[in-house]
Amino acid sequence: SYVLTQPPSVSVAPGQTARITCGGNNIGSKSVHWYQQKPGQAPVLVVYDDSDRPSGIPERFSGSNSGNTATLTISRVEAGDEADYYCQMWDSSSDHYVFGTGTKVTVL
Amino acid sequence: EVQLVESGGGLVQPGGSLRLSCAASGFTVSSNYMSWVRQAPGKGLEWVSVIYTGGSAYYPDSVKGRFTISRDNSKNTLYLQMNSLRAEDTAVYYCARGSYPSGYYDYWGQGTLVTVSS
Repeated sequence: SYVLTQPPSVSVAPGQTARITCGGNNIGSKSVHWYQQKPGQAPVLVVYDDSDRPSGIPERFSGSNSGNTATLTISRVEAGDEADYYCQMWDSSSDHYVFGTGTKVTVL
Repeated sequence: EVQLVESGGGLVQPGGSLRLSCAASGFTVSSNYMSWVRQAPGKGLEWVSVIYTGGSAYYPDSVKGRFTISRDNSKNTLYLQMNSLRAEDTAVYYCARGSYPSGYYDYWGQGTLVTVSS
């Protein structure tokens, strides 16, 4: 089955840029989506189709996808961005949906 | 406004059964594909099932043969029948609305906790 690998944690100072990677075999050929989850809350979609943002999501959240790595970038990080982040994709070969291992973003 | 409200969680013994419900409003369940996603305590998200508009359903190996996803169009409600429950099925279960064709989830419920323990 397809595996999506994320770093367990990323630390960033306020105002700086956080980059969260999502590794998978030839992931650049697939559409990758990103979710933010705060403690005790349901996940929230922050980026879909590699780089599109749902309405209401700040422009500070952006995404890219190429080769074997997809990346979620959070610019001008704020304290409210502290959360767990998950990448996700649809594996068309098995009709299964795959989530990444998750990354905890800590704002210093 | 799109809303998803799960119910039916609780404490069940190993080997037991439970049926979760997800009442939808603001859209039609049968016109969208829907999934269940779970999260064990302190762990990451795990996809559990999907049902497409045509009624076909898919599951990961971890629940295949034990879980069944279904929907009641008249009630605009999604269900997850869980049989032969194991301790490792303990998790918060979320229902989510999927977006075709790229497969992202744009709306999620608040989740319902299932605890499998003797």
